[in-house]
This record gives sequence, structure tokens and C-alpha cells, in this order.
Amino acid sequence: DAKTTQPTSMDCAEGRAANLPCNHSTISGNEYVYWYRQIHSQGPQYIIHGLKNNETNEMASLIITEDRKSSTLILPHATLRDTAVYYCIVRPDSGGGADGLTFGKGTHLIIQP
Amino acid sequence: DAGVTQSPTHLIKTRGQQVTLRCSPKSGHDTVSWYQQALGQGPQFIFQYYEEEERQRGNFPDRFSGHQFPNYSSELNVNALLLGDSALYLCASSVDRTIVMKKLFFGSGTQLSVL
Repeated sequence: DAKTTQPTSMDCAEGRAANLPCNHSTISGNEYVYWYRQIHSQGPQYIIHGLKNNETNEMASLIITEDRKSSTLILPHATLRDTAVYYCIVRPDSGGGADGLTFGKGTHLIIQP
Repeated sequence: DAGVTQSPTHLIKTRGQQVTLRCSPKSGHDTVSWYQQALGQGPQFIFQYYEEEERQRGNFPDRFSGHQFPNYSSELNVNALLLGDSALYLCASSVDRTIVMKKLFFGSGTQLSVL
């Protein structure tokens, strides 16, 4: 799986948009970008994933650059409950079969009141 | 609808002992994966079970073994515990062969302390 690079930590003011970057310069053509987050004392939670088009759901937006070497997760109106560690993961989507994910250390996002 | 449930929530063992952790997947899910998360680190993939068989395994020794039952629930067994096995053990479930199969649902984990 391609390696990802994320900042160790970030701060964001409550109510503002939180933009979390991820570098995946060695990504292959069949690899998707996934984002999970882990709130303290809980298991990771799926947020969003995409291949090359921008994606949006009820939780966040995912912006992938045209060359696919980096992406940004956007939380449009951050709340205190969004304080968590955010993991960017690159993984081929086989459409079936085993799907063990490789988590890095992620970005610790702290939302400030 | 209950999500992924794990038991026990906390466990204390001593070196050399054996431990069994349990996981019930989310309703409708047939695939269970186990992860180990050391303090300050991201989760590390141990193995995955589907149709009662181990389908994929991460870089973990044979001391780590598992089982999946006909009702899709699963157990993680660790033999000859080492101090380094102290970690949060996470179970994740998913549905095989769907377009969103990488959307894993995680339990809250079992915190294992080895003394």
C-alpha cells in the first residue's frame, strides 16, 4: 500500500472549517484514499473515501488533487466533538476479498472553543 | 441496531498467560478483522476472518490466533503473553463483496494490560 504523510497535530477554531492535508505521492492508479477518525476511548470511525473525484457526505468533503498525489479532508463547521485523531489511508479497492487497512499515526485535530 | 460489541472492556494478565477476547459484529456483517493499537500509535492489522476461515494476516506471530463462529462472531486468542502485547485490541466488521466493503465498523476495543 502507498505510504501517507500527515501533520502530527493541528488546531482549528470551533465553527470554522478544518482542513486536514494528506500526502500520498506514491499512490497507484487503483488505490483509493480513505479517511477514518478516532475519538478518544473509541474505535476508529469511517468518514469518507474517494478515487479521483471530489466526494462529499454528511460528515465531510474530500478533495483529491488532479495528480492524486495529495488530498484534503474538510470538516465544514468544526465542533468540539470533532476533536480526534484523523487517519488518511491509501488502499486498493479489490471489490472483494481481504481488506486489512494500514493506519499511520494520523493527525491529532484539536478544536478550540 | 447494535454496532460492533467487544468483551471484556478491560483485562489484566501476567506474562506467559493466555487470553481470549470476543467480538460480535454489526448486524448483517459477515467479516471480522482484528487490530492491535499500542499507546500513541495507529491500529495495526492482525488478521481477518470470513466464512469461518482466516483470509488475510498481518505481521503478527503465531501466538496470535483467532476463530470465527457460524453466527459471524469472533475470538482473538493470544498465547504466552509478553509485556509488549499490552495494547488496545480493536475488532472491526464489514460486509464482503460490496462497493463499500472498506467501510469498516469498529468496536470500542478491549484494553489489555500485561504485567
